[in-house]
Amino acid sequence: KAGVTQTPRYLIKTRGQQVTLSCSPISGHRSVSWYQQTPGQGLQFLFEYFSETQRNKGNFPGRFSGRQFSNSRSEMNVSTLELGDSALYLCASSLTGTSYEQYFGPGTRLTVT
Amino acid sequence: AQTVTQSQPEMSVQEAETVTLSCTYDTSENNYYLFWYKQPPSRQMILVIRQEAYKQQNATENRFSVNFQKAAKSFSLKISDSQLGDTAMYFCAFLIFSNNNDMRFGAGTRLTVKP
Repeated sequence: KAGVTQTPRYLIKTRGQQVTLSCSPISGHRSVSWYQQTPGQGLQFLFEYFSETQRNKGNFPGRFSGRQFSNSRSEMNVSTLELGDSALYLCASSLTGTSYEQYFGPGTRLTVT
Repeated sequence: AQTVTQSQPEMSVQEAETVTLSCTYDTSENNYYLFWYKQPPSRQMILVIRQEAYKQQNATENRFSVNFQKAAKSFSLKISDSQLGDTAMYFCAFLIFSNNNDMRFGAGTRLTVKP
């Protein structure tokens, strides 16, 4: 069974632009969570989607948004990019929505210049 | 507030020896899960071991075991017979059962296994 995939793996954007990252969960998994990883703040929870509904949201500004499609694939969007948004963005999927079964993707490295 | 603290930013161990990584957490909840994740240079987060707070028995996965002290809110990871492939960042994480997937991570410990 294929693992969690994320595209693109690397991305370079300019301040003020917007970006969309994609995550395809393991087949059959209905929950997708997103995390931001930076050297300064570590790993921080962004949000979680289950069956196309956002169930939980971390403490991030409204510039960070996401959605989930009927096939469970998820996208996250960051608008009006700031230098501080440079990070590794990880998504994780789980079968039933409980994190003890959570599997991570390889991440998307976003660099904002 | 739910917080996870890993007090050892870096550690090293000789191949085949044993090393213990420390983790403490803070919560007023009673039902939660604890995890250790490994993140090698490839960046893929890999679940090493997990522990349900209601279980008193310490979890074990091959060379990896935990020492879970609920009263002390401590959750250390012991790696036995360390291998070069164990070189990675190790993150302790904490999840409250009723809070879906809002998982809190520690800052990580960089472990280097030396030949």
